[in-house]
Amino acid sequence: GQNIDQPTEMTATEGAIVQINCTYQTSGFNGLFWYQQHAGEAPTFLSYNVLDGLEEKGRFSSFLSRSKGYSYLLLKELQMKDSASYLCAVRNDYKLSFGAGTTVTVRA
Amino acid sequence: EAGVAQSPRYKIIEKRQSVAFWCNPISGHATLYWYQQILGQGPKLLIQFQNNGVVDDSQLPKDRFSAERLKGVDSTLKIQPAKLEDSAVYLCASSETEAFFGQGTRLTVV
Repeated sequence: GQNIDQPTEMTATEGAIVQINCTYQTSGFNGLFWYQQHAGEAPTFLSYNVLDGLEEKGRFSSFLSRSKGYSYLLLKELQMKDSASYLCAVRNDYKLSFGAGTTVTVRA
Repeated sequence: EAGVAQSPRYKIIEKRQSVAFWCNPISGHATLYWYQQILGQGPKLLIQFQNNGVVDDSQLPKDRFSAERLKGVDSTLKIQPAKLEDSAVYLCASSETEAFFGQGTRLTVV
């Protein structure tokens, strides 16, 4: 199976930076994904890492270290609309599994 | 590009009744997933198809849940009989690399 751990909740101020960590244990690793999910809505794709290093996409960046089983999602210049749940998902040989999600609350 | 389509959006049934959900994936996506998401939790994989073959159904409660994907396109997920603890959002997703999700079906079992 896959064990995926991420913090339950985080709070930050508008305009600030927040880093959401994700650790995982799996065999046959084949990619790590981050999704954003607003309350009552479906998850939407944010980023994908399969090799070690940083992937930057606008205000969002994602980092992966395969040897450490570790990833983080960095949200910069936080906006109120960024308040949502952020899901870390790991794909092994064929199966895509999700963590429990981190609820980020952005305060004015 | 059309997204993943699911129906119905909402369903309320009594326990012990049966219910079926339908999913039409993005055209050309060979992989299709059904997830169950209970409020406050992450999505839990129920079953994953590659074309019309099952590649993982280890977390599908097979005594009451069934799913099929005929012709490797549309898929249906059925629950019979439903229990109170089946109340959740049922998400369908399809992928080539990243998974794209439908809007989900919110099931309430009373």
